[in-house]
Amino acid sequence: AQTVTQSQPEMSVQEAETVTLSCTYDTSESDYYLFWYKQPPSRQMILVIRQEAYKQQNATENRFSVNFQKAAKSFSLKISDSQLGDAAMYFCAYRGSGNTGKLIFGQGTTLQVKP
Amino acid sequence: GAVVSQHPSRVICKSGTSVKIECRSLDFQATTMFWYRQFPKQSLMLMATSNEGSKATYEQGVEKDKFLINHASLTLSTLTVTSAHPEDSSFYICSARDPLTNEKLFFGSGTQLSVL
Repeated sequence: AQTVTQSQPEMSVQEAETVTLSCTYDTSESDYYLFWYKQPPSRQMILVIRQEAYKQQNATENRFSVNFQKAAKSFSLKISDSQLGDAAMYFCAYRGSGNTGKLIFGQGTTLQVKP
Repeated sequence: GAVVSQHPSRVICKSGTSVKIECRSLDFQATTMFWYRQFPKQSLMLMATSNEGSKATYEQGVEKDKFLINHASLTLSTLTVTSAHPEDSSFYICSARDPLTNEKLFFGSGTQLSVL
């Protein structure tokens, strides 16, 4: 069975600085998708970034980028120029390519942004 | 973009009563929807996969008689918490897959259930 592990329950960053959130996963599949979701206090799940496992190039969305290491099964999220609005809980998630869309989530990391 | 509407956003009920939560895909047809449960400051745990026109697939440890799922149309899935107890109090979130954009999932805004 696939598992997703986020080993940092809480992180903090100074506004305008850069922070990296860690995520590791375990799977025997070769084709899959990885995601980072943001859950602000409103608790609405917001997709931050998506990575297809077959792509070697790391995904980037504005200030958000990932470091995808397929062999190491690592998928970290880097947030550059952190803003107060980035404060939220962040979840790493895995989805196999063959299923209908079921996501397996990590435990989450609460990010605090200090002004 | 695609939108998933979840209703109600908050519900308080007495122990022993049943509560129905609705999840609607507003501008796409969702053959598959997912129901998650989230305790405070914890992760989302998949409860079941709701399939239009067929029985839901429940995850291990989830009581199917307790959490009834109905997906009678391509735009609506409902989760009914039957004979609710205080331990059922939680945040419930649905998500739906747009088959036209296979890898994209859209989440509802969630329902906070409090059982007194």
